[in-house]
Amino acid sequence: EPEVTQTPSHQVTQMGQEVILRCVPISNHLYFYWYRQILGQKVEFLVSFYNNEISEKSEIFDDQFSVERPDGSNFTLKIRSTKLEDSAMYFCASSGQYSNQPQHFGDGTRLSIL
Amino acid sequence: DAKTTQPNSMESNEEEPVHLPCNHSTISGTDYIHWYRQLPSQGPEYVIHGLTSNVNNRMASLAIAEDRKSSTLILHRATLRDAAVYYCILRTDSWGKLQFGAGTQVVVTP
Repeated sequence: EPEVTQTPSHQVTQMGQEVILRCVPISNHLYFYWYRQILGQKVEFLVSFYNNEISEKSEIFDDQFSVERPDGSNFTLKIRSTKLEDSAMYFCASSGQYSNQPQHFGDGTRLSIL
Repeated sequence: DAKTTQPNSMESNEEEPVHLPCNHSTISGTDYIHWYRQLPSQGPEYVIHGLTSNVNNRMASLAIAEDRKSSTLILHRATLRDAAVYYCILRTDSWGKLQFGAGTQVVVTP
């Protein structure tokens, strides 16, 4: 069964550094999402992306965050200047073109900011 | 999206059925009821979804009340691998975000 893959599985970064989290969605999917989960808390929506533009973003997704689909297969989340509070699991998800199809999630990247 | 209410935790014995309730009294006519689960150290995983009629798939069954104000996810024979947090989510926008609550932690005892 096709799956969403995320790399790296664990990223350790110094505060203030830029970090790029990478995702390869399922190949025929058209809708892409990033979520995050701070340790012990709920899964929170960050941003959705369709047709090469952001469809919706949460208030967490401020100017420090950006997303990109640089080619036909990758979907990236960039955090420009990381803060301690950015430490979390980051999940990428994708879904197909038909109404109410499920979102398929990757296993996440654990981001640790020192 | 409308809010859902789930118990914090439920315990089940292995190979017994598990019934996970979800209340969504403010559901609107176009809201789909989605269930996801999250196993330890993994991303959320789709389980099942429905609108009005009961639904079955290889993972579970979804029973929807006639007034749609509540639903129940049924795991027919719990295994140790079913130990996870189960989320009941109402979805208005067909391609929109999922809004996760705290979910129900299911513990399966051998």
